[in-house]
Amino acid sequence: QSVLTQPPSVSAAPGQKVTISCSGSSSNIGNNNVCWYQQFPGTAPKLLIYDNNKRPSGIPDRFSGSKSGTSATLGITGLQTGDEADYYCGTWDSSLSEGVFGGGTKLTVL
Amino acid sequence: EVQLEESGGGAVRPGGSLRLSCVASGFSFDDYGMSWVRQGPGKGLEWVSGVNWHGSITTYAESVKGRFTISRDNAKNSLYLQMTSLRVEDTAFYHCARDGGYLGEFDSWGQGTLVTVSS
Repeated sequence: QSVLTQPPSVSAAPGQKVTISCSGSSSNIGNNNVCWYQQFPGTAPKLLIYDNNKRPSGIPDRFSGSKSGTSATLGITGLQTGDEADYYCGTWDSSLSEGVFGGGTKLTVL
Repeated sequence: EVQLEESGGGAVRPGGSLRLSCVASGFSFDDYGMSWVRQGPGKGLEWVSGVNWHGSITTYAESVKGRFTISRDNAKNSLYLQMTSLRVEDTAFYHCARDGGYLGEFDSWGQGTLVTVSS
């Protein structure tokens, strides 16, 4: 049971937009910065979004992040088949004093 | 280019021990905190432990506290995870990760090393 809650799967057609939600509490998302990671099968996770809405160098602006209260959202526009991957949200939990992640969301581009 | 390469994984019986290593290159290792994050087969990510740049501050997930010990050798650009009293539920890929600018942010990851705990 993950501390952060994500939908197990989302899907959309190529070229469309999709959002992935991440729900937490005041001890994690509510008071800490949220990150998003992309992971392809058999590979290491890759930082996609940090500090709620910032993109590391090399990440296209099709990817965006936002946070409101105790929830965060990853948005992906102009979907491509190459975006099919697992996406994880993550942050720090100040009560647990631990890093925490969502259970992951599998994106399918139909 | 940041590179993190883990080693030391393998098969072990419940109650056994294992020591994982991670060699870093492409950045000033002693400028960064480092962490271990694991992923069970077909499962999600689970933070395991972290250490500050100096090695003086360590943190652990409740699930491994008292059994795992994180350490680092800045002279060797290396991070370690000593695992004892291993349980079946510790079976996972163990990724070495570089800490980013905020708690809970990991900006570079290694491919991972597989630890299998089975009788």
